[in-house]
Amino acid sequence: NAGVTQTPKFRVLKTGQSMTLLCAQDMNHEYMYWYRQDPGMGLRLIHYSVGEGTTAKGEVPDGYNVSRLKKQNFLLGLESAAPSQTSVYFCASRHDGSGNTIYFGEGSWLTVV
Amino acid sequence: AQSVSQHNHHVILSEAASLELGCNYSYGGTVNLFWYVQYPGQHLQLLLKYFSGDPLVKGIKGFEAEFIKSKFSFNLRKPSVQWSDTAEYFCAVYNTNAGKSTFGDGTTLTVKP
Repeated sequence: NAGVTQTPKFRVLKTGQSMTLLCAQDMNHEYMYWYRQDPGMGLRLIHYSVGEGTTAKGEVPDGYNVSRLKKQNFLLGLESAAPSQTSVYFCASRHDGSGNTIYFGEGSWLTVV
Repeated sequence: AQSVSQHNHHVILSEAASLELGCNYSYGGTVNLFWYVQYPGQHLQLLLKYFSGDPLVKGIKGFEAEFIKSKFSFNLRKPSVQWSDTAEYFCAVYNTNAGKSTFGDGTTLTVKP
């Protein structure tokens, strides 16, 4: 049971480049989330999804897009990376019936130069 | 808007000292409460959670937290910390009506041997 898996774990981008972070969960969870973690700012929700084919904006959605074409996958896209998007990105998922515990991936370290 | 406040950004303790990390939230409705821990270089993991019942909950590694509804607080405690408790600790509140989680900014705990 792999839980929540994020790829890639590390990436360096040039300003203006695009990339996609992939999150996969094998727990059949309905809800999936993308957070970014910055020093002194805790975890901030970027986008989330309550089920396959649905997405919604979180606290800091600008500059990001997401897709949930399959229940087990939640993709986070940066169309034109900016240095302000240098951060650690965490994917998370939860099952509505599990008592709302969120399970986190290991994080993806992204640097935009 | 729902918010979570962790009062201490950085706490430094010696081994065997007692620990209490404060967490207050602003939402007045039904909530589930969590403490997550992130050890250096590792991903977030659940420390303990409160849904209902006994307001004193016990988690892994000797941690406990007490839910005081009148104070909107969920403080984390440990009677005697160890060097291995050095980590970042996040308090989180799940709003059962809105179906959304809000995290505090995190508290970095450094335990000196």
